Amino acid sequence: TQLLEQSPQFLSIQEGENLTVYCNSSSVFSSLQWYRQEPGEGPVLLVTVVTGGEVKKLKRLTFQFGDARKDSSLHITAAQPGDTGLYLCAGALPRGKLQFGAGTQVVVTP
Amino acid sequence: GAGVSQTPSNKVTEKGKYVELRCDPISGHTALYWYRQSLGQGPEFLIYFQGTGAADDSGLPNDRFFAVRPEGSVSTLKIQRTERGDSAVYLCASTGGAGAGDEQFFGPGTRLTVL
Repeated sequence: TQLLEQSPQFLSIQEGENLTVYCNSSSVFSSLQWYRQEPGEGPVLLVTVVTGGEVKKLKRLTFQFGDARKDSSLHITAAQPGDTGLYLCAGALPRGKLQFGAGTQVVVTP
Repeated sequence: GAGVSQTPSNKVTEKGKYVELRCDPISGHTALYWYRQSLGQGPEFLIYFQGTGAADDSGLPNDRFFAVRPEGSVSTLKIQRTERGDSAVYLCASTGGAGAGDEQFFGPGTRLTVL
């Protein structure tokens, strides 16, 4: 079983601060996705990274895929209360299945 | 257009009872996935449908769990003889393709509580 470990499990910061969450695996994935989930809702896709070393930016969010395609990070600049949520990474498996990590709960306080 | 919908949003049942959870995927999406999310965990794959057939049911925990998609659209997840350990949020997702990395659109989930 390919496992994805996310760290930290929980992160509480003040508005305006930066944060980074990590997703690590001992296995190689063909692609990796990041989702954000809010209470009572399903996960919503933020980005898909495919190429080793790839960096993608989505406004204040920066996603990196490791050169060996085993790890990834999500960096948020100048966090806002609206960034609060559970951030999940998911590795792509055959037939479109996803292997999710346990998630990082981010809380941004005003 | 409408997103993925799931009913009921909450279901409370007693140990040993039978429950059905329904998923309405996005119209035209051929692939449908069921996941289970326990408290403090990420979603865990249960079963995948391509059209009407279950293409991969390797994530179903045991034979008490069964799912159908008779017309290739709506899917029902059925749990027999429920146990307290079945308590979780059951998520459904659909996608227009089934390639690795295709975006999956998730419903809001059904929160199942087994007393």
